[in-house]
Amino acid sequence: NAGVTQTPKFQVLKTGQSMTLQCAQDMNHNSMYWYRQDPGMGLRLIYYSASEGTTDKGEVPNGYNVSRLNKREFSLRLESAAPSQTSVYFCASSEWFGTPRAGELFFGEGSRLTVL
Amino acid sequence: AQSVAQPEDQVNVAEGNPLTVKCTYSVSGNPYLFWYVQYPNRGLQFLLKYITGDNLVKGSYGFEAEFNKSQTSFHLKKPSALVSDSALYFCAVYGNNRLAFGKGNQVVVIP
Repeated sequence: NAGVTQTPKFQVLKTGQSMTLQCAQDMNHNSMYWYRQDPGMGLRLIYYSASEGTTDKGEVPNGYNVSRLNKREFSLRLESAAPSQTSVYFCASSEWFGTPRAGELFFGEGSRLTVL
Repeated sequence: AQSVAQPEDQVNVAEGNPLTVKCTYSVSGNPYLFWYVQYPNRGLQFLLKYITGDNLVKGSYGFEAEFNKSQTSFHLKKPSALVSDSALYFCAVYGNNRLAFGKGNQVVVIP
């Protein structure tokens, strides 16, 4: 049981380049999330998808776009990378709000992105 | 909007001593509160949660948390810390289909 799988694990970009972080979960969860983690800032929500076919902005959406490709997959795209987007990115999934296990997020191992 | 605060950046404790990691919350309505742990170079793992009911919640790895409504706190505790408990601990509050995390506490257990 793989859980939540993120690719790539590491990436170095130059300012202005674009890239997509991929995320897939095999737990049949409805909700998926993208967070970024920065020292002293904790985890900040970039975008989330409460269910297939919906996406919503989180705390720090500027400079990012997302696609909920299907129930399993939720990708994060940086259209024109900036040094301020250097961070560790985490994808997570959970059961839908209103179910007993809502809020119990399962996280991937993270994607470390450096923008030069 | 709901939020949590973790007032300490780092907690140092000797192995075998009690461990406490502090968290206070701010929500409108009933709080749904969580603790997560992150080991180096790993994703976060769920430890425990408070939804309703008993104020003392038990979770994984011997951890527990005490919900205190009058103090708006949800402190994480462990009676006897292990070196392997050294990690980053996050408090979180759930609402509007999302979790909002605190900044995290680095716990260092000294052998």
